[in-house]
Amino acid sequence: SQTIHQWPATLVQPVGSPLSLECTVEGTSNPNLYWYRQAAGRGLQLLFYSVGIGQISSEVPQNLSASRPQDRQFILSSKKLLLSDSGFYLCAWSVGRQGTEKLFFGSGTQLSVL
Amino acid sequence: LAKTTQPISMDSYEGQEVNITCSHNNIATNDYITWYQQFPSQGPRFIIQGYKTKVTNEVASLFIPADRKSSTLSLPRVSLSDTAVYYCLVGEENTGGFKTIFGAGTRLFVKA
Repeated sequence: SQTIHQWPATLVQPVGSPLSLECTVEGTSNPNLYWYRQAAGRGLQLLFYSVGIGQISSEVPQNLSASRPQDRQFILSSKKLLLSDSGFYLCAWSVGRQGTEKLFFGSGTQLSVL
Repeated sequence: LAKTTQPISMDSYEGQEVNITCSHNNIATNDYITWYQQFPSQGPRFIIQGYKTKVTNEVASLFIPADRKSSTLSLPRVSLSDTAVYYCLVGEENTGGFKTIFGAGTRLFVKA
């Protein structure tokens, strides 16, 4: 069966510090991978998605970046965090053709930038 | 670009049937309609997906009229544990990638 691992579960970082969140998927190959962010009480904002190794599409211009060094690994990074980067970060993978895909989410990382 | 419109919130009581309607006037011919459920501090969980007419699984039913411009998620006999946010999604028209966009969702509050 497929599983998705996302860590850490919580993170407190000072403004200006770097960030690295990692997500890995097991039990499937060539998944579509996603990073979402959710502010408290708000909906999910799509940050990045990837359909293959090295293929990253950015939805929101900001100080975050994503990389996919391996087929089932997706990394979210920042060189210098801002207060506005605080939120709940979710990694997801999907199966199915475009338009029918079903997303499966990790457990999320609660990031607080102070 | 397909977009969805849902009520911001709904209240219900335990044991009642809850129907959440989603409007997607610009849905593309090949797009499916997918619903997710999200509890606080968790990622959304897939509930049901359909293309037309009616789909039923162990959790919910999805009703889609012939014009497909709307859909209704039906939760039978809700319990307190069904309190969550429910998202309706339709596939994006071809933008060159799997760009799955979530709307604001419907916050369902089930009361005892």
